[in-house]
Amino acid sequence: SQQGEEDPQALSIQEGENATMNCSYKTSINNLQWYRQNSGRGLVHLILIRSNEREKHSGRLRVTLDTSKKSSSLLITASRAADTASYFCATDARNAGNMLTFGGGTRLMVKP
Amino acid sequence: DSGVTQTPKHLITATGQRVTLRCSPRSGDLSVYWYQQSLDQGLQFLIQYYNGEERAKGNILERFSAQQFPDLHSELNLSSLELGDSALYFCASGGSGNTIYFGEGSWLTVV
Repeated sequence: SQQGEEDPQALSIQEGENATMNCSYKTSINNLQWYRQNSGRGLVHLILIRSNEREKHSGRLRVTLDTSKKSSSLLITASRAADTASYFCATDARNAGNMLTFGGGTRLMVKP
Repeated sequence: DSGVTQTPKHLITATGQRVTLRCSPRSGDLSVYWYQQSLDQGLQFLIQYYNGEERAKGNILERFSAQQFPDLHSELNLSSLELGDSALYFCASGGSGNTIYFGEGSWLTVV
């Protein structure tokens, strides 16, 4: 079973709009990481947020973490067509041997 | 460029055959992870090695095996291949509690 579940599964927006993707997980974590994957390509690391952090920024990306709700969100502001990709959250769960568990991903399409 | 190198990028082979996927981790990373991505199963953790020793095991089939060599590169061996083994296989490297970086993956097609 998957630790993280992204919501929505698919999202279509216009260029310039903001995109918000959510991730829920089940167990206590050390950290949560977000990745981007262009079709059939490798996973590109976007941001890591530790369990004792609540919010983190990187350029147009903003990630929040609510450990009480076991959820995280990824916000991409001022989206561009190049942001079109699948986005995955991955949790590094405590007592899980350092492995990352991935959710099913959100497919984001940004229309020019 | 993540710094994690995987070869080959693409591989087509017949059922029943055996293949080896190779991975070179980022410089300085002692941990290597293998993941399988398929349409029906998503991204699944297979196995982790740390400095040459197996550290964690996930949903890895008995037909699959891996090892990490003294120079820290790793190989994933897939044998008695079945059509359902067709997938994108990722190698990743990193450290505990830190960012995990992924390679570009090896596309395996079993025909």
